[in-house]
Amino acid sequence: GAGVSQSPRYKVAKRGQDVALRCDPISGHVSLFWYQQALGQGPEFLTYFQNEAQLDKSGLPSDRFFAERPEGSVSTLKIQRTQQEDSAVYLCASSQAGGPEGNTIYFGEGSWLTVV
Amino acid sequence: AQTVTQSQPEMSVQEAETVTLSCTYDTSENNYYLFWYKQPPSRQMILVIRQEAYKQQNATENRFSVNFQKAAKSFSLKISDSQLGDTAMYFCAFMIPLGEYGNKLVFGAGTILRVKS
Repeated sequence: GAGVSQSPRYKVAKRGQDVALRCDPISGHVSLFWYQQALGQGPEFLTYFQNEAQLDKSGLPSDRFFAERPEGSVSTLKIQRTQQEDSAVYLCASSQAGGPEGNTIYFGEGSWLTVV
Repeated sequence: AQTVTQSQPEMSVQEAETVTLSCTYDTSENNYYLFWYKQPPSRQMILVIRQEAYKQQNATENRFSVNFQKAAKSFSLKISDSQLGDTAMYFCAFMIPLGEYGNKLVFGAGTILRVKS
């Protein structure tokens, strides 16, 4: 697609519910990132994929958070047993290269999660 | 630890005037990349400008330019001829490597810029 697409844009979940957030990166982009942005703060890194391989998940806040990218394209971020502190915007981003050289990272519009 | 500091939580500027947003960072790397992103209320992160650390020349994109001081680890953004559409949150970000296979962005806390008519 033309840009990074995320769905749903808005999600209200009751505490304890499981949620799944989808990301469709720019076609052909090797790298895919998930970030969490709490209100009034900068985005915080959650996890990184190169193709289907999850190479870094050091930012996932707990074992309730799980991300996958089984075919190296679409990715899903799953949050189990949601809690109020999970309320945030979840940003997905992608970039073309998988190497250590600097490349422009493109962001989606985010999925706004509110846990009530 | 790699950190990015934006010391101005909020800034205001009159339409058509110039404003500078500050950013400092801390790293032991020699080759890296710095970015400014704009985030309007829609939350879409929009790339404004990018700077490679190995380039001495400051990056420029139309009304947006940076003052990159590598020794001081400073990376400020200057917006000239400010427009109402420039009103947004601005994030400074630093790209760090993830081992051999990728990189990630580390963001500052952001600066809210309000352009007044």
